[in-house]
Amino acid sequence: DGGITQSPKYLFRKEGQNVTLSCEQNLNHDAMYWYRQDPGQGLRLIYYSQIVNDFQKGDIAEGYSVSREKKESFPLTVTSAQKNPTAFYLCATTSGQPGQQYFGPGTRLTVT
Amino acid sequence: GQQVMQIPQYQHVQEGEDFTTYCNSSTTLSNIQWYKQRPGGHPVFLIQLVKSGEVKKQKRLTFQFGEAKKNSSLHITATQTTDVGTYFCAGDGGATNKLIFGTGTLLAVQP
Repeated sequence: DGGITQSPKYLFRKEGQNVTLSCEQNLNHDAMYWYRQDPGQGLRLIYYSQIVNDFQKGDIAEGYSVSREKKESFPLTVTSAQKNPTAFYLCATTSGQPGQQYFGPGTRLTVT
Repeated sequence: GQQVMQIPQYQHVQEGEDFTTYCNSSTTLSNIQWYKQRPGGHPVFLIQLVKSGEVKKQKRLTFQFGEAKKNSSLHITATQTTDVGTYFCAGDGGATNKLIFGTGTLLAVQP
């Protein structure tokens, strides 16, 4: 949705390389989330952050890392330890619980 | 852990027919949200239900939250081709600031 930027839209990497996906928001929302979506599947939570300099693991955090140094930014690094990194990655924000989540346009990562 | 299941996984209808997707949680939810994801797009928020037995309508869409706050449904009357996409429910267990998304129902509408 407007106000959340994810770049790039498509990303191709070789196996064994780390890659960082960008998520920037200008909605002034405190909480930010990273989800992974596989074809025909639902959304699975990777990491989330409710406040700057703090983040928690989601359901599938293994092989991923994040940082939250600024309120506007929540980058996700897909490490070489992630067994099946090819997927659609979605970043989302919310202003508070139990508010709606606003999603960015997503990044399609392909690792070969 | 908490799980949210949706049925059916896929539904194909003729334009003008009705459509319903059902969402069931393994635990009681403090609220439930519904999202729509168009093919190739990202999820977009549709609505949130908070009260037990709540029913909300948005034009041809009717959303319901069960009395026990463990299930929900989305009903579309007289589908149109613009309704095509995947519909997700998402439950907020209340303890944390995170949602558990359902598996989604992909709706295909044939003109």
